[in-house]
Amino acid sequence: SQKIEQNSEALNIQEGKTATLTCNYTNYSPAYLQWYRQDPGRGPVFLLLIRENEKEKRKERLKVTFDTTLKQSLFHITASQPADSATYLCALDEAPGGTYKYIFGTGTRLKVLA
Amino acid sequence: DAGITQSPRYKITETGRQVTLMCHQTWSHSYMFWYRQDLGHGLRLIYYSAAADITDKGEVPDGYVVSRSKTENFPLTLESATRSQTSVYFCASSGSVDPGVTQYFGPGTRLLVL
Repeated sequence: SQKIEQNSEALNIQEGKTATLTCNYTNYSPAYLQWYRQDPGRGPVFLLLIRENEKEKRKERLKVTFDTTLKQSLFHITASQPADSATYLCALDEAPGGTYKYIFGTGTRLKVLA
Repeated sequence: DAGITQSPRYKITETGRQVTLMCHQTWSHSYMFWYRQDLGHGLRLIYYSAAADITDKGEVPDGYVVSRSKTENFPLTLESATRSQTSVYFCASSGSVDPGVTQYFGPGTRLLVL
């Protein structure tokens, strides 16, 4: 079965630097991969989606890459700010070919230091 | 625009009691989901629904019951609560049958079973 691996250790970076978070999967390449942000005590909020045939997707200071050879997605936040501190979750579709059901990683906690 | 709401936000109950968690969305989304989030496990799908009166099991359905008589509501019932069901429960909805569509999450219900 598909498994998602995200670094469970918190990532601390200085304000203004680029944060890079990793999402690895173990089995089939998903048709879709999503990144969510979750703040303490709140539900996840969608950030970006990248499709299997896309190498890179950008939205403002956010960038997602997708490497099906490495079975990996990288999530970058450039010019990071303390307000970017949160847990970031990776999610991918549950079955090959794409479905409306997703499985989620455990998330990586990011702390941006002022 | 209320979006997606959950009630109660916090609940303490005792082992063996029946508990119902409510979820309501105002977008008329077809798909709705229930997840539980536990430390070390990330979000795990309990049940989902593709439309009114259509529900199906997710990864961890045992001990839970759902119904969906109206598109906007998707209650989750713990028939006889157990301590292992202590968790944070999130409801989510999605508006399209197309894969790759984002999910919108509610604020969560924190449930403690004593």
